[in-house]
Amino acid sequence: AQKITQTQPGMFVQEKEAVTLDCTYDTSDPSYGLFWYKQPSSGEMIFLIYQGSYDQQNATEGRYSLNFQKARKSANLVISASQLGDSAMYFCAMREGSGTGANNLFFGTGTRLTVIP
Amino acid sequence: NAGVTQTPKFQVLKTGQSMTLQCAQDMNHEYMSWYRQDPGMGLRLIHYSVGAGITDQGEVPNGYNVSRSTTEDFPLRLLSAAPSQTSVYFCASSYDFSAHQPQHFGDGTRLSIL
Repeated sequence: AQKITQTQPGMFVQEKEAVTLDCTYDTSDPSYGLFWYKQPSSGEMIFLIYQGSYDQQNATEGRYSLNFQKARKSANLVISASQLGDSAMYFCAMREGSGTGANNLFFGTGTRLTVIP
Repeated sequence: NAGVTQTPKFQVLKTGQSMTLQCAQDMNHEYMSWYRQDPGMGLRLIHYSVGAGITDQGEVPNGYNVSRSTTEDFPLRLLSAAPSQTSVYFCASSYDFSAHQPQHFGDGTRLSIL
């Protein structure tokens, strides 16, 4: 089974509007971390935001927030006030707390966000 | 503020050639890893290391070797390049292998095998 599922291959948003990128995850480990990365057309992978499985509050980093619904196993990324520079590929990823001992990072297949002027 | 540095950025090889992709980090991170990124498949783990002298296989290790003689460096070796290894390769590091530590990525190496 896929550990990370991103069901939106592509999304469009109007500049200055908010957008939600969906992510669901699958784990039986009680300790895990959820991460979002941005990959612009230049190709680098940029870490955006982290949510821990024991965190009571949703994580926020500037215009990025993570809508964490533990019971539903979802960790959606919300980008507020979209800017043209937000156009990129976005990846959701998870690290489990007690895997093989290495706690490797599992990635979804990504969502391509296009911001329309 | 170098972070994770990968060289080269681009490389073209012929089938059967060997080469080494270099990765270095200056953050004193214990955990380092190599991923490949193929269209529509996200990133897949090739090899990883939880500290100097310790390496292990990831999801797609065949055709690749790694070593970790220092904390800073984690080179990836292609033994005999095949067209199926055409991909973008990313090196990443994190403070340790805790589930709650983000991995920080290099800028990637775009590799084409002819």
